[in-house]
Amino acid sequence: QVQLVESGGGVVQPGRSLRLSCAAFGFTFSNYVMHWVRQAPGKGLEWVAVISYDGTKVEYADAVKGRFTISRDNAKSTLYLQMNSLKPEDTAVFYCASAGSFYNALGDHWGQGTLVTVSS
Amino acid sequence: DIQMTQSPTSLSASVGDRVTITCRASQAISNYLAWFQQKPGKAPKSLIYAASNLQNGVPSRFSGSGSGADFTLTISSLQPEDFATYFCQQYITYPRTFGPGTKVEIK
Repeated sequence: QVQLVESGGGVVQPGRSLRLSCAAFGFTFSNYVMHWVRQAPGKGLEWVAVISYDGTKVEYADAVKGRFTISRDNAKSTLYLQMNSLKPEDTAVFYCASAGSFYNALGDHWGQGTLVTVSS
Repeated sequence: DIQMTQSPTSLSASVGDRVTITCRASQAISNYLAWFQQKPGKAPKSLIYAASNLQNGVPSRFSGSGSGADFTLTISSLQPEDFATYFCQQYITYPRTFGPGTKVEIK
C-alpha cells in the first residue's frame, strides 16, 4: 500500500530551525520526484519546493528560497525539508507529494500533513 | 510568476446539480493544468491532470476542459461526497502556483 508519512512538525520560535521528514512506503521512492506543499490555517495551498529523482535538481518558491532546503535519501526512502530562519508566516500544515517527473503534475500520493507553528 | 484565479470563490448547490468552476491563468499555460479536491482536515486529492485527464479512480462525473489560459472543472451531478474545496494548479513552470480555491457547499 502506497503511503507517505510526514513527521517533524511542532511549535518553534521565530528565527529557529526545524527539519521535516516524509517517509515513503509501498513504492520505489527513487522513481519519483517529490514536492512539499503547505497550507496556512484557513488558507489555500502553496507550493514550496521540488526535488528530482536523484536530488541533483531542486526548485523553491520565492517565499522560502535561501531559508529552506529540500533533500532526499533514496536508501531510506525519505524526503526532508530543512527550514531555517522560520517566520510566523511559515505557520502551516506541510504536505509531501509525489510526481512522475520534474515536469508532471502532482500525483495522487500525498501525505497526511504535519503542522508547523512558528510563534514566540 | 504565473497567477491563477478561480471563480466563484464559493457556491451553494444541491445533490444532483451540475456544477462548473472556472480557473484562469495570467498567461497561457497550454494544458498544464491540474485540479485538486480537498476536504476539511484532509490532504488534497488529485482529480485531473493535463486539463482533462482523470486520475485513476476519479468518478466520471468529474470532467475538465480548457487550454491556453481558461479552464473549467465540471461535476455533472453533484454527490454528497463532492462537497469540498477545489483548487487548480499550473505546472508549466516553476514556481508552481495554485488558484485560491472554490468551496462547494450544500444548499
